[in-house]
Amino acid sequence: EPEVTQTPSHQVTQMGQEVILRCVPISNHLYFYWYRQILGQKVEFLVSFYNNEISEKSEIFDDQFSVERPDGSNFTLKIRSTKLEDSAMYFCASRAGLVDGEQFFGPGTRLTVL
Amino acid sequence: AQSVTQLGSHVSVSEGALVLLRCNYSSSVPPYLFWYVQYPNQGLQLLLKYTTGATLVKGINGFEAEFKKSETSFHLTKPSAHMSDAAEYFCAVSEGFGNEKLTFGTGTRLTIIP
Repeated sequence: EPEVTQTPSHQVTQMGQEVILRCVPISNHLYFYWYRQILGQKVEFLVSFYNNEISEKSEIFDDQFSVERPDGSNFTLKIRSTKLEDSAMYFCASRAGLVDGEQFFGPGTRLTVL
Repeated sequence: AQSVTQLGSHVSVSEGALVLLRCNYSSSVPPYLFWYVQYPNQGLQLLLKYTTGATLVKGINGFEAEFKKSETSFHLTKPSAHMSDAAEYFCAVSEGFGNEKLTFGTGTRLTIIP
């Protein structure tokens, strides 16, 4: 069964460093998303991406964040200068494009900023 | 704007007993509603969804939910709990096609008592 994969599973970084979180969506999917879950809090939408551009982003997704689909298979989330409050579990999701198609989630990357 | 309220951050039921997890939503347009389950150290897996049509929807693992517009509710039920049902459950809402970002509730941790 096809699945969304994410690497790494756990990333530890120093405050101020850049991190790139990688996702491989399901191969025939057209819509891509990033969500995050701070420990003990709810899952929050960050950004949606379609046709090589951002279709919607939340207030959390400020200039420190960017997304890219560099090679037609990977979907990346970059945080330019990490802050302590960026520590969270980051989930990638993809959707086929059907009108009511579900979003398939990856297992997440736990980001720890020290 | 849309929002989800899940009453009860922790629910414990005995094995074989009825499972009832509560979800109320707010949406300015007819909502799409979802229940996701998260097992430890795993991503989010879709249990069931309501988009249009029949208001009682059946999902995987014997779960079902009923969309009640008058009560703005989408409660999740299962007639007989199994030990394997122990997990975190998230209710989510979206505004449907054209705005598919998911807004999640804070989650309910379900514990099954042997």
